[in-house]
Amino acid sequence: AQTVTQSQPEMSVQEAETVTLSCTYDTSENNYYLFWYKQPPSRQMILVIRQEAYKQQNATENRFSVNFQKAAKSFSLKISDSQLGDTAMYFCALTPYNQGGKLIFGQGTELSVKP
Amino acid sequence: DGGITQSPKYLFRKEGQNVTLSCEQNLNHDAMYWYRQDPGQGLRLIYYSQIVNDFQKGDIAEGYSVSREKKESFPLTVTSAQKNPTAFYLCATATGNDYEQYFGPGTRLTVT
Repeated sequence: AQTVTQSQPEMSVQEAETVTLSCTYDTSENNYYLFWYKQPPSRQMILVIRQEAYKQQNATENRFSVNFQKAAKSFSLKISDSQLGDTAMYFCALTPYNQGGKLIFGQGTELSVKP
Repeated sequence: DGGITQSPKYLFRKEGQNVTLSCEQNLNHDAMYWYRQDPGQGLRLIYYSQIVNDFQKGDIAEGYSVSREKKESFPLTVTSAQKNPTAFYLCATATGNDYEQYFGPGTRLTVT
């Protein structure tokens, strides 16, 4: 079975500081994608960043970057210069290649950015 | 204006009644998905469809049914056999090329 685990149910950070959200996963597949999705209070799911497992270079999108450790099956999200608008639930998700694009989600981390 | 529409935003039903949730897209995406979200949990896959007239069960398909008669539409029926239907339901689409999924705004279903 494939699983995604987020061990931090809640986190908080001061505005302008940096925070890291943890995610570990388990899959027997060698080729897969990993994603971080953000769900603000509106409940709209928004893609934050994605990583292809065959790429060694860590993905970055502006203030968001990942630390992808394939051997350790770890995929953490770093948010730099945190902003109030970053307050949301963050979900880590996995999809192996050639399995219909099904996303396997973690339980989520609720991030609060404090002024 | 391209996007995914889910209607209605809030839906209330009595126990024992079937209810159908709508999902429409004009992104011309081949694949469509239905997820369920409960408090404190991540999203769980109910059903998905990679092509018209074909769909597969996800991890929690019991008590649900779907159809995919048109590329643009993937309605989800919550039947009376679903033990705990009250939840937030999200529809998503994907091109199938890069595995990125695009989500609709969701429907909150309350069954009493």
